[in-house]
Amino acid sequence: DGGITQSPKYLFRKEGQNVTLSCEQNLNHDAMYWYRQDPGQGLRLIYYSQIVNDFQKGDIAEGYSVSREKKESFPLTVTSAQKNPTAFYLCASSIMGQPQHFGDGTRLSIL
Amino acid sequence: SQQGEEDPQALSIQEGENATMNCSYKTSINNLQWYRQNSGRGLVHLILIRSNEREKHSGRLRVTLDTSKKSSSLLITASRAADTASYFCAIFLSSGGGADGLTFGKGTHLIIQP
Repeated sequence: DGGITQSPKYLFRKEGQNVTLSCEQNLNHDAMYWYRQDPGQGLRLIYYSQIVNDFQKGDIAEGYSVSREKKESFPLTVTSAQKNPTAFYLCASSIMGQPQHFGDGTRLSIL
Repeated sequence: SQQGEEDPQALSIQEGENATMNCSYKTSINNLQWYRQNSGRGLVHLILIRSNEREKHSGRLRVTLDTSKKSSSLLITASRAADTASYFCAIFLSSGGGADGLTFGKGTHLIIQP
């Protein structure tokens, strides 16, 4: 089955630690996205990538970094510079202008 | 803000009733999309309506778009308990280097009472 897979489902971060969230898709989509969702809120765009080896900052990129070395993969690193990282993180992919396909998210908490 | 804004924020109805939620936005759009999110899960696409369309149907879902009022509505007919979820509208902009994905509203939380 084609789809988008995020791992892990739950992740815990210690103070001063970087953590990486995985996102893999086998839909052959060029575009991939990372969103952050806080309780009772909508989605805010962190980073997006339209093509391999290229990515752009979204509305709330500070404290986050990404890479796009392969079409299928778009990992997100939450760095120690992100002071309020506790949130639900969603990865999506699409053909540009078409509906986005979402993974089931990673919930990040601080120890 | 360019994002869509849903109304109401929360809606509770009896099973079998119809549910209507609205979305307003502030700029010209290429298309408007509705998504559903079950608790703790990712979003699932429901319907895409283009700026030159006025109404679309998919099963028990009906979406309307009024570009003159910059608003859209999602109607769920004959609601079921399984329709309990949050519903988001998302706008895809017409211009402005628009490769930055969709802009989502904060959602309407729909509860269907059995």
